[in-house]
Amino acid sequence: GDSVTQMEGPVTLSEEAFLTINCTYTATGYPSLFWYVQYPGEGLQLLLKATKADDKGSNKGFEATYRKETTSFHLEKGSVQVSDSAVYFCALSDLDSSYKLIFGSGTRLLVRP
Amino acid sequence: EAGVAQSPRYKIIEKRQSVAFWCNPISGHATLYWYQQILGQGPKLLIQFQNNGVVDDSQLPKDRFSAERLKGVDSTLKIQPAKLEDSAVYLCASSFQGARGGELFFGEGSRLTVL
Repeated sequence: GDSVTQMEGPVTLSEEAFLTINCTYTATGYPSLFWYVQYPGEGLQLLLKATKADDKGSNKGFEATYRKETTSFHLEKGSVQVSDSAVYFCALSDLDSSYKLIFGSGTRLLVRP
Repeated sequence: EAGVAQSPRYKIIEKRQSVAFWCNPISGHATLYWYQQILGQGPKLLIQFQNNGVVDDSQLPKDRFSAERLKGVDSTLKIQPAKLEDSAVYLCASSFQGARGGELFFGEGSRLTVL
C-alpha cells in the first residue's frame, strides 16, 4: 500500500542555516503530496502542496519539488528562523488509498538562536 | 473564520473505562476525519465522513471504537472499553473537497492518557 518515509529527527540547526528534510513515498498511482507543520501547542496546518510531477510547492520561504523519478518531495528552506521550530509531516493522497491523507512519522526541527 | 473545535483537550482514564471526544468542523465543510496520533508517529486515519455518511472506516477498531456524525455537522468519537495502547492524541480535521488536492484543517487535538 501507499506509504511515506521521512528522515528521523530531531534536526537541530542554528538560525539562518539551510534546512533539508527528506521525504520519499511509495504509491501505485499519481499522488498529491503535502507538507504539514505542527507548531508547539497548535494543530497541524498545511505548509505547502504539489499535485503533479515537477510541481514546486512553496510557502513562508519553504519549498518542495515533486520528483516522480526519485519518488521524493524533500522540504527545503534557505535560512531557518527560531520560529520555524516545529514538527514537519510529509503526506500523500492518492486514488489507490481512496484519497485519504497518509502521513510520515514526522521530523522535529529545533532552531537555536 | 472559526477553526475546527475539539473537546476535551486532555483526558486521563483508567483502562476499561470509556471516553468520548467531540469535534465541530469548519462551517460548510462536508468532509470530516478522525485521526489517531501515537507519540512519535504520524497521524493515522480512523474514520472519514462525507456529510453524515461513512466513507472509510477500514482502520477503526470497531470492537471498541465508534464514531457518529448524525446531522452532518459535529461528530463524536467514543472508545469503550479503553486499552493502554489507546493513549494518543485524537485529531479531528475537516475539508471542503477532501484530501484529493484539497486542504485539511485540523483541530488542536484531544490528548488521551489511559492508565
